Amino acid sequence: QKEVEQNSGPLSVPEGAIASLNCTYSDRGSQSFFWYRQYSGKSPELIMFIYSNGDKEDGRFTAQLNKASQYVSLLIRDSQPSDSATYLCAVNKNDYKLSFGAGTTVTVRA
Amino acid sequence: KAGVTQTPRYLIKTRGQQVTLSCSPISGHRSVSWYQQTPGQGLQFLFEYFSETQRNKGNFPGRFSGRQFSNSRSEMNVSTLELGDSALYLCASSTGTGGTEAFFGQGTRLTVV
Repeated sequence: QKEVEQNSGPLSVPEGAIASLNCTYSDRGSQSFFWYRQYSGKSPELIMFIYSNGDKEDGRFTAQLNKASQYVSLLIRDSQPSDSATYLCAVNKNDYKLSFGAGTTVTVRA
Repeated sequence: KAGVTQTPRYLIKTRGQQVTLSCSPISGHRSVSWYQQTPGQGLQFLFEYFSETQRNKGNFPGRFSGRQFSNSRSEMNVSTLELGDSALYLCASSTGTGGTEAFFGQGTRLTVV
């Protein structure tokens, strides 16, 4: 079983819609959860982090964490063409490393 | 505030050679982590350094090594390069306290021919 699993994608959404990205993790000892956005040919950019159960909102992004279900999600509201990228879920167990999912590619169509 | 700086941005090397990559973290950050990104394996953790000490290491052969200097700058070295080492090598900078946010540099694209 992989440490971090994400929707296989690709995910195509119309402009203005909500994009919903899911991530599950295998280790209950995981403490910190991150979402990175990676444009083609670029490095990952941190867009959200969450440490506690519940929702965390930042602009058009909302991260949701459910530790009991070992599940973390990212919602992108009012999706824009500039949101077209690969989104990487990363998990940390306070062991000084991030474990990444394979990523979900999102395409926002105008 | 300057971000994470990786040099060089691109490298082409021949099988059997060795290579050294450099990373300067965000000012004030004492932790530097290295990751390898390939289309097949995704992002994989190589190692992490804090105050010149390696605190964690991933499952890579001994050909991959790193170090950190007193100014927090870090280098990673790959010896006896193989074709499969072709990848984007990414450095991430953080404060170093467990679980805090990590910020990536632009990466070094290594091609082994």
